[in-house]
Amino acid sequence: QVRLQESGPGLVKPSETLSLTCTVSGGSISNYYWSWIRQPPGKGLEWIGYLYYTGRTNYNPSLKSRVTMSIATSRDQFSLELSSVTAADTAVYYCARVLSTVTSQILYFDSWGQGSLVTVSS
Amino acid sequence: DIVMTQSPLSLPVTPGEPASISCRSSQSLLQSNGDNYLDWYLQKPGQSPQVLIYFGSNRASGVPDRFSGSGSGTDFTLKISRVEAEDVGVYYCMQVLQTPITFGQGTRLEIK
Repeated sequence: QVRLQESGPGLVKPSETLSLTCTVSGGSISNYYWSWIRQPPGKGLEWIGYLYYTGRTNYNPSLKSRVTMSIATSRDQFSLELSSVTAADTAVYYCARVLSTVTSQILYFDSWGQGSLVTVSS
Repeated sequence: DIVMTQSPLSLPVTPGEPASISCRSSQSLLQSNGDNYLDWYLQKPGQSPQVLIYFGSNRASGVPDRFSGSGSGTDFTLKISRVEAEDVGVYYCMQVLQTPITFGQGTRLEIK
């Protein structure tokens, strides 16, 4: 069974860049889409974006100017960078595997990491 | 963006009783192939979300059959035939018809 684990700093200063890595184990990183979702404390879920194992990306327009996702298939890892962070970016960040059809229609997130709390504060 | 609206936002339920959650989308999630691109997730306390239903009515692997999804177009319903204590948490609907993928606000189910 595939497992996902987020890692990265738990505290980031305002205006700096948030960086997280998701390590995939128990399954191949190839031939799948991978996504990042976040959840501010006590609030709902927000989709940040997804990337294909080839490196093709699709970002939420609300964050697009500040988001970069990348993938390292040789290390079974994919990453998220969010620049110019503010307190509003404080959230639990989840990585997830995306199931899709053969025509690349997104179906659902079938495996999630445990989440990584990132606090933006000076 | 497609706006997803859930109701109720809070749902107290007696164990053994049924429960129902509504989700409405601001535009139709029905594709020409007959599939509705609507998923349901449950986030148990302190855990990551887990998928329950995809295509509006298909139970994901391992999901108990007391969970069922129905609806089409813009109106969807998640039903629990007999609520158990382990069903406590926040339920979210999510549309995957188009990006940005969007979620409902969540419905908190609690045991009376």
